[in-house]
Amino acid sequence: GQNIDQPTEMTATEGAIVQINCTYQTSGFNGLFWYQQHAGEAPTFLSYNVLDGLEEKGRFSSFLSRSKGYSYLLLKELQMKDSASYLCAVNSNYQLIWGAGTKLIIKP
Amino acid sequence: EAQVTQNPRYLITVTGKKLTVTCSQNMNHEYMSWYRQDPGLGLRQIYYSMNVEVTDKGDVPEGYKVSRKEKRNFPLILESPSPNQTSLYFCASSATSGGRTGELFFGEGSRLTVL
Repeated sequence: GQNIDQPTEMTATEGAIVQINCTYQTSGFNGLFWYQQHAGEAPTFLSYNVLDGLEEKGRFSSFLSRSKGYSYLLLKELQMKDSASYLCAVNSNYQLIWGAGTKLIIKP
Repeated sequence: EAQVTQNPRYLITVTGKKLTVTCSQNMNHEYMSWYRQDPGLGLRQIYYSMNVEVTDKGDVPEGYKVSRKEKRNFPLILESPSPNQTSLYFCASSATSGGRTGELFFGEGSRLTVL
């Protein structure tokens, strides 16, 4: 079967750095997405990785290792507004397989 | 403004009363999809459409119908709603179903309660 695993919940301190991991086992791979979802709102796109390595976009970076079936989202200089759920999704044979999401709690 | 619009945003209904949730996108996207989101279960795909007149079942299609008669619209129909269809529903669209252009744009969500 196809499976994506992420931690259910993480806590971090304002101003710190946090890494959210995602491991996947899918029958195909056409890229990995990270989305951010604030409570009660729609998911919004954060990043896309299709090749191994690190993609940096401001305070957010995303890493991919296809051989290990592993990705992480790195959030730097955490702000209270970063409190949200972070969803990992793999494009497998042109269909998105979603993880259950990681709820990130930011404490002052 | 590029957007995906869903209606209604909130709805309380009773078991067996047919309802339709509309979805419209103004980005000329080929791919559209419906998801439901329940606590602890993440996003689960109900139906998707690769293009006009082409629809396919997702992971949880039972109790739902869709149609894609025009490129911009993709309504979700609950013929006889039941309480287990109480959920938060999202419509989403993307330029294609693969690669970087597979980035999904989501509607604001429709919170449905079936009594």
